[in-house]
Amino acid sequence: DTGVSQDPRHKITKRGQNVTFRCDPISEHNRLYWYRQTLGQGPEFLTYFQNEAQLEKSRLLSDRFSAERPKGSFSTLEIQRTEQGDSAMYLCASSSGGMESLHFGNGTRLTVT
Amino acid sequence: GDSVTQMEGPVTLSEEAFLTINCTYTATGYPSLFWYVQYPGEGLQLLLKATKADDKGSNKGFEATYRKETTSFHLEKGSVQVSDSAVYFCALSASGTYKYIFGTGTRLKVLA
Repeated sequence: DTGVSQDPRHKITKRGQNVTFRCDPISEHNRLYWYRQTLGQGPEFLTYFQNEAQLEKSRLLSDRFSAERPKGSFSTLEIQRTEQGDSAMYLCASSSGGMESLHFGNGTRLTVT
Repeated sequence: GDSVTQMEGPVTLSEEAFLTINCTYTATGYPSLFWYVQYPGEGLQLLLKATKADDKGSNKGFEATYRKETTSFHLEKGSVQVSDSAVYFCALSASGTYKYIFGTGTRLKVLA
C-alpha cells in the first residue's frame, strides 16, 4: 500500500489558463473521489468514480471542471479558464467500495493569480 | 439534504485535559459516521468510524458513539497530548450513495 499520490503538490497559474491535476489511487481501490477544500472549511465533494465510470458529479461544479479516469486507474481533474475563486486545495481520495473509509492524498494546492 | 454540523473551534486545552468535540448529522436512512484528523502539513487520515447505531469507534485513545436518537457522533478523549493538536473533521457516508459529506472541521490546540 503506497497510498494515494497527487501531482503536482502546488500549482500557480494566471486567471484564464487551464490546469490539470493527476491522482494515483491505492492500486486495489475501485472508487476514486475528488474534493475541494478552502481555508477553514471541510472538504467539499466534487465527483467520484467507480472504476472508469463517473457515477456522480456535484451540482455545484461548473462546466469548466472535468474529470476522467481512463482504464479505472489514475484520474485527472482539469479546470478550464481558471478564476480566482478556484484557488483551493484539491484532494483526491480512494476507497475499496461500500461504506469503507476514504484514503486521502496530500492534495494539490492551486493558486490563481 | 444530508449534512454534518460540528462545533466551531479553535479548542484550546492543557495537556491531560478531557476533550469533547461535538458532531451532529442530518441524513436519510442509516449513514456510516467517521472522524478524520489532519495534522499540520499532512493529509486527512481516518481516526475512527462507526457503521450502525450504538456502535463505538475507537483509536489512539479517542472514542465516539453512534447515537441515532440524538443524531450525534461526539468525539472524546480522556487525556489529550500536545501531539493531538490537529484539525478534526466529522463526516458521514449516506446509505444509497457513496458520497462522503464533511463538517467544517474543529481545530484543537493542546498546550504543554
